[in-house]
Amino acid sequence: DAGVIQSPRHEVTEMGQEVTLRCKPISGHDYLFWYRQTMMRGLELLIYFNNNVPIDDSGMPEDRFSAKMPNASFSTLKIQPSEPRDSAVYFCASSLGTATGELFFGEGSRLTVL
Amino acid sequence: GEDVEQSLFLSVREGDSSVINCTYTDSSSTYLYWYKQEPGAGLQLLTYIFSNMDMKQDQRLTVLLNKKDKHLSLRIADTQTGDSAIYFCAVEDSNYQLIWGAGTKLIIKP
Repeated sequence: DAGVIQSPRHEVTEMGQEVTLRCKPISGHDYLFWYRQTMMRGLELLIYFNNNVPIDDSGMPEDRFSAKMPNASFSTLKIQPSEPRDSAVYFCASSLGTATGELFFGEGSRLTVL
Repeated sequence: GEDVEQSLFLSVREGDSSVINCTYTDSSSTYLYWYKQEPGAGLQLLTYIFSNMDMKQDQRLTVLLNKKDKHLSLRIADTQTGDSAIYFCAVEDSNYQLIWGAGTKLIIKP
């Protein structure tokens, strides 16, 4: 399997623009997680899905952030409008329900908002 | 809620053993994990231990768990330059979700 695939790897945008990050989980995994990593706050769980259904979005910082999982092989994280403080590395991870702590991470999407 | 603490940096000489420590607060945690993050990459699961064990060994890695003191450690024997990375401790909470430490950056001196 190719592992968790994220795109884009790098995104530079201007404040106020819409940003869409994409993730393809490992086939057969039924949990999908979106994390954000910054130097100041470390690794933060934003939202996770089970069988394409959002279970806990309490980590989503503001209404500017939204995530969807229209099917088992695709998820998006959208920021609209983006702000400089959203600059971070965003990770997608997936896991099997029988081993929810064994996460497989993508390479991350590094977002810079100017 | 659950809290997981790690020191931010550890510096060791190549060939020595590295010991990365982690403390946590939730005594009901069933699984405890160590992840490794190399520069520019995602996190990768290194190893994990079930709470009814006190030690687990996997090649150069040894995990020690002291449930009484809520202390977890990762020992890397014969540390190599390729071991340079950030090591994250993660503990499963009562909702089966992971609570993460801040990560320990392992620096290898030649």
